[in-house]
Amino acid sequence: AQKVTQAQTEISVVEKEDVTLDCVYETRDTTYYLFWYKQPPSGELVFLIRRNSFDEQNEISGRYSWNFQKSTSSFNFTITASQVVDSAVYFCALRSTGTASKLTFGTGTRLQVTL
Amino acid sequence: ETGVTQTPRHLVMGMTNKKSLKCEQHLGHNAMYWYKQSAKKPLELMFVYNFKEQTENNSVPSRFSPECPNSSHLFLHLHTLQPEDSALYLCASSQTGTSGRETQYFGPGTRLLVL
Repeated sequence: AQKVTQAQTEISVVEKEDVTLDCVYETRDTTYYLFWYKQPPSGELVFLIRRNSFDEQNEISGRYSWNFQKSTSSFNFTITASQVVDSAVYFCALRSTGTASKLTFGTGTRLQVTL
Repeated sequence: ETGVTQTPRHLVMGMTNKKSLKCEQHLGHNAMYWYKQSAKKPLELMFVYNFKEQTENNSVPSRFSPECPNSSHLFLHLHTLQPEDSALYLCASSQTGTSGRETQYFGPGTRLLVL
């Protein structure tokens, strides 16, 4: 069975602080894909990144960076110098090649960035 | 218009009403999905369509009836709903393949309130 755990339910930071959102996953498959989505108050899930299980290189995109550690089954997301517009719910998700169309989501982490 | 669109964005209905949610994707994808997002719960996959054929139904009650007339349009017909069906209904689309790496892109959702 697949499972994604986002232990942090809510995080509150002051603007310009760095913040890391944790994601731990479980799967028996050797080939799988991990995703992060952002859900602002408007409701739409916005795709941020996809990584496959064979690529453990960390990735940086502007103020966003992702740390994939297969040894600890974690795929953490860091926002550097957070801004108010980063306030949203962030979801981590897992998809294995053996599970057809099924995308397993975590319960999300609500990030509140204040001035 | 680009991406995935959903109408209406908000819907209030009584338990005896019949209504339909509409989703349209402009990405040329061949798969479409309905998800339900309730407060404090993970996203729940409801239905999956690949090339207009339903490939997954996650034990959804029959008061929810999906329809996929073509690869670009997806409907969710609602009748005799219950108050606990109040939620955000999200549509997504993707280009499916055998690798499993395909990314799902989401619409803005329909916020449904059943009175």
